[in-house]
Amino acid sequence: AQKVTQAQTEISVVEKEDVTLDCVYETRDTTYYLFWYKQPPSGELVFLIRRNSFDEQNEISGRYSWNFQKSTSSFNFTITASQVVDSAVYFCALSERISNFGNEKLTFGTGTRLTIIP
Amino acid sequence: DGGITQSPKYLFRKEGQNVTLSCEQNLNHDAMYWYRQDPGQGLRLIYYSQIVNDFQKGDIAEGYSVSREKKESFPLTVTSAQKNPTAFYLCASSIVGVTYNEQFFGPGTRLTVL
Repeated sequence: AQKVTQAQTEISVVEKEDVTLDCVYETRDTTYYLFWYKQPPSGELVFLIRRNSFDEQNEISGRYSWNFQKSTSSFNFTITASQVVDSAVYFCALSERISNFGNEKLTFGTGTRLTIIP
Repeated sequence: DGGITQSPKYLFRKEGQNVTLSCEQNLNHDAMYWYRQDPGQGLRLIYYSQIVNDFQKGDIAEGYSVSREKKESFPLTVTSAQKNPTAFYLCASSIVGVTYNEQFFGPGTRLTVL
């Protein structure tokens, strides 16, 4: 069965510090996708990144970076120079193909609540 | 602007009543999904639909029902058979294709059973 583990329930850091959110996954699929979503207090999930299982290159987008390591089944997310606006719950998710039409089911981790202290 | 709308934002229901949550999208997406979120937990899939007039059960479909009569709309009914319906409900949609496409989420509906 698919599983996503986000062991860090809550993290607090002072503004401008770097912070890394951990994500470990389990799957038997050889092809899969990993995602990170941000959930601000408003509740809507905001898509941040998608990574497929064949692409282990790290990705950087502004202050955000992601480290995908297939050998350890991890897909960690780092925020550099954190800002108060980064305060949110962050979810890691793993795809599972559910049909021949090409769409997938997402298995979510339990989320990490990140608080940036001004 | 394209997006997903959910209404109402907050919903209160008495025990034993059915209630319907609305989800509309103008993204021209074929697939739509309903998730439930409980405090301190991740999202769990209730139902999904890949095309009009077709839908499938997710992991926690008991006590829920859906319909997909139009591409743009995927309403969720929480029936009296759902034992613990108080939760945050999120609707999502995505393109259907050979490679996976990310799901886009609506703002959610918070349902409270009194």
